[in-house]
Amino acid sequence: NAGVMQNPRHLVRRRGQEARLRCSPVKGHSHVYWYRQLPEEGLKFMVYLQKENIIDESGMPKERFSAEFPKEGPSILRIQQVVRGDSAAYFCASSLDWGSPGTGELFFGEGSRLTVL
Amino acid sequence: GQQVMQIPQYQHVQEGEDFTTYCNSSTTLSNIQWYKQRPGGHPVFLIQLVKSGEVKKQKRLTFQFGEAKKNSSLHITATQTTDVGTYFCAGPGGPGKLIFGQGTTLQVKP
Repeated sequence: NAGVMQNPRHLVRRRGQEARLRCSPVKGHSHVYWYRQLPEEGLKFMVYLQKENIIDESGMPKERFSAEFPKEGPSILRIQQVVRGDSAAYFCASSLDWGSPGTGELFFGEGSRLTVL
Repeated sequence: GQQVMQIPQYQHVQEGEDFTTYCNSSTTLSNIQWYKQRPGGHPVFLIQLVKSGEVKKQKRLTFQFGEAKKNSSLHITATQTTDVGTYFCAGPGGPGKLIFGQGTTLQVKP
């Protein structure tokens, strides 16, 4: 069974470029989450998606960041016009359900580490 | 907004010593989850606690959920070098939204 697959694992961008991060959830999981982690810090919630729907994007900056989870294909986190402060590890997670014991646990991918020069 | 705090931030122990990390929420939680992240790795789910006063054990790890459902702890007995990593607690902050503590990083000296 494949877990959550994220790519690229490492991405280097210059200021002003676009970063596009992809996430394929565990097969059968319809709940997808994106988290950001700065060095030596915890995980900050960014967005919660279900197929074709953004459920909660309260943790995402209002400008330059967008996320989608289309009917077909992986979830995409897109960062336009990147700045140095966007450098971080971006983790995608998926779950079978939300909040239910036994089905609400999050399975994390290995992360995409973005470096902005 | 809702906050989840963890202490200590770092802990260095000698192999064989015990280790405890504490988690406190600013609000009552319906449940609490614990994750472990190895250096350079990704968070891995350990356990979920739901009931007030609940205690669960996984080998040398003991997890507790406070009576008021606002705090939790993770205790590791007789640490081993394989226990190295950062331990996070997380509580729900709304549908689909887990609020993570800042984590406790455990170092174990062999």
